[in-house]
Order: sequence, then C-alpha cells, then structure tokens
Amino acid sequence: GENVEQHPSTLSVQEGDSAVIKCTYSDSASNYFPWYKQELGKGPQLIIDIRSNVGEKKDQRIAVTLNKTAKHFSLHITETQPEDSAVYFCAASIGNSGYALNFGKGTSLLVTP
Amino acid sequence: GAVVSQHPSRVICKSGTSVKIECRSLDFQATTMFWYRQFPKQSLMLMATSNEGSKATYEQGVEKDKFLINHASLTLSTLTVTSAHPEDSSFYICSARSPGPADTQYFGPGTRLTVL
Repeated sequence: GENVEQHPSTLSVQEGDSAVIKCTYSDSASNYFPWYKQELGKGPQLIIDIRSNVGEKKDQRIAVTLNKTAKHFSLHITETQPEDSAVYFCAASIGNSGYALNFGKGTSLLVTP
Repeated sequence: GAVVSQHPSRVICKSGTSVKIECRSLDFQATTMFWYRQFPKQSLMLMATSNEGSKATYEQGVEKDKFLINHASLTLSTLTVTSAHPEDSSFYICSARSPGPADTQYFGPGTRLTVL
C-alpha cells in the first residue's frame, strides 16, 4: 500500500542550531501533510500542517516545505530549545479525502543544552 | 479549542476480560474519529475509521469482532477490546477530524492498556 518514509530516525542537535526532518510519500493523490510532536506517554500534538496548494508555511520557529512534484516535504525547526526534544511524525492524507493519515516512522529529536 | 480527551488514561486488566476506551471531542463536533494503535518506539497504525451513526471501517488485518467501535454521537466514540490478551497490550490513541474544509485531525492523550 501507499506509505510515508521519514528520515532521519534519530537527530541530535545543540541548542540554538536548526533541525530538519524529511519525508517522502508515494500516494500522488495525497493533499494534506501534517506534522505532529509526541512526548513520552502522550498523544501526538499537531504543530504545523500544509496543503498541496501551498509550497511553504511558517509559524514562528517552525516551517514546513512541500514539493509535490518530487513528493517530499520537510520540517524545519530553527533556534532549537531543549523543550523541542520529542518524537516528530510526518503524515500524509490517504488520497485526497483529507480523512485518514499514513504516518512516517518518526524522528527522535534530542536538543542538548 | 480542538481538544480531544480519552478515558481512561491507563488500564490494567486480566486476560479474557473486555475493556472500553472512550474518546470525546470536547469543543467541537466530530463526524469522523479514528482509532490508532502504537507499540513502543513505533509509529501510529490506523486501526479503524469511525463515522457517527454508521459502522466503522476497519483496516486490513484488524479484527472487527475483537475491536468493537461505536460512534453514537458527534462527540463520542468508544473502542472496546473484547477478550483481551497480553498481545493486545499497547497504547491506543484516538483522533477526531475537525469540521469544515480544514480536515485537521486532533489527537487524544492516549490510553495505555496492559493485559496480564
């Protein structure tokens, strides 16, 4: 079936540096791409999302870019802080219904002081 | 806004018993809710799509008679794990789709199920 590939699986950066997580998807009909942050023992929290009619979206220190032709999208976190440490999941809508999501395998981000 | 709650947050039960998990959208009506399962250090696996007033749609490999889903109102969906076994131990998370064109999914805090 359709899937979402996410890289890297782990990422360690120093406080203040930038972090980039990349995802690729295979379903050409996907049109909605959210990013979630999950802390240990908690549910995923939506941090930013992008739709197929937009190439880039930014919200303070977080930005997402989308290349529909290449079927990949990326999360950029600038000026990282220790509290950014968590597991980040990318997802792509299954088809263009905007309903169910296929998730990447996650990236464990560690920001060291 | 867009808060989704789950109850209980954690449950321990004996093998062979049934466990019910509730998922509520607190400040919006959700015609569609989703149930996911997550094993330690793994991604979220979609189990089923729950539509208010109709039968749930299960993903391939998910036993509908074991994982009973009821979506009786626009703010509540329940997942019942019937005749639970140790291999059913997992983190169960629901999400609710916000209404309108946004189609954004908001997740609950999850329920940790441990079957002894």
